Amino acid sequence: NAGVTQTPKFQVLKTGQSMTLQCAQDMNHEYMSWYRQDPGMGLRLIHYSVGAGITDQGEVPNGYNVSRSTTEDFPLRLLSAAPSQTSVYFCASSYSTGRVSGNTIYFGEGSWLTVV
Amino acid sequence: GQSLEQPSEVTAVEGAIVQINCTYQTSGFYGLSWYQQHDGGAPTFLSYNALDGLEETGRFSSFLSRSDSYGYLLLQELQMKDSASYFCAVRDLRGKLIFGQGTTLQVKP
Repeated sequence: NAGVTQTPKFQVLKTGQSMTLQCAQDMNHEYMSWYRQDPGMGLRLIHYSVGAGITDQGEVPNGYNVSRSTTEDFPLRLLSAAPSQTSVYFCASSYSTGRVSGNTIYFGEGSWLTVV
Repeated sequence: GQSLEQPSEVTAVEGAIVQINCTYQTSGFYGLSWYQQHDGGAPTFLSYNALDGLEETGRFSSFLSRSDSYGYLLLQELQMKDSASYFCAVRDLRGKLIFGQGTTLQVKP
């Protein structure tokens, strides 16, 4: 059971480049989300999805796009990378809040992104 | 919107008990949860409260008072490996999960 898988683990981008962080889960979770974590800070929600075809903005959505075409995958796209987007990115998933087990969030191992 | 407040740092000695408080504001509350994160690692789930009262999981317990918009995480019999960051997080009815800034716990010998 792979859980939540994120790729790549490390990436260096030049300002203005675009890229996609991949996230996949094999637990049939309805809910998926992306967070960024800056040094010494908490996790800030970028975008989230409560099911295939449904996405919504979190606290810091600007500069990022997401889509949810399947239950398993939730890619995060950086449209035009900026140094302010240097951060660690975590993908997370869970069952929906309507289920008894919907309260446990599972995180991927993180993606370290540096924009120069 | 949603917001959470928790202390930035707590220090305690091995074997002691420590309490990390969390106050929250949210529109549409579903539950309060706690996560542990060691340096360089991903957050891991510790505990969850949807109803008022105390939930116990081994050395860790979590408490919730919905009328006070307040909860806490209680860590007993502290061990060196408990040195980490601890985050409270609140979930709304749609499922959106928002985290606090985190509390860094340092356990000293």
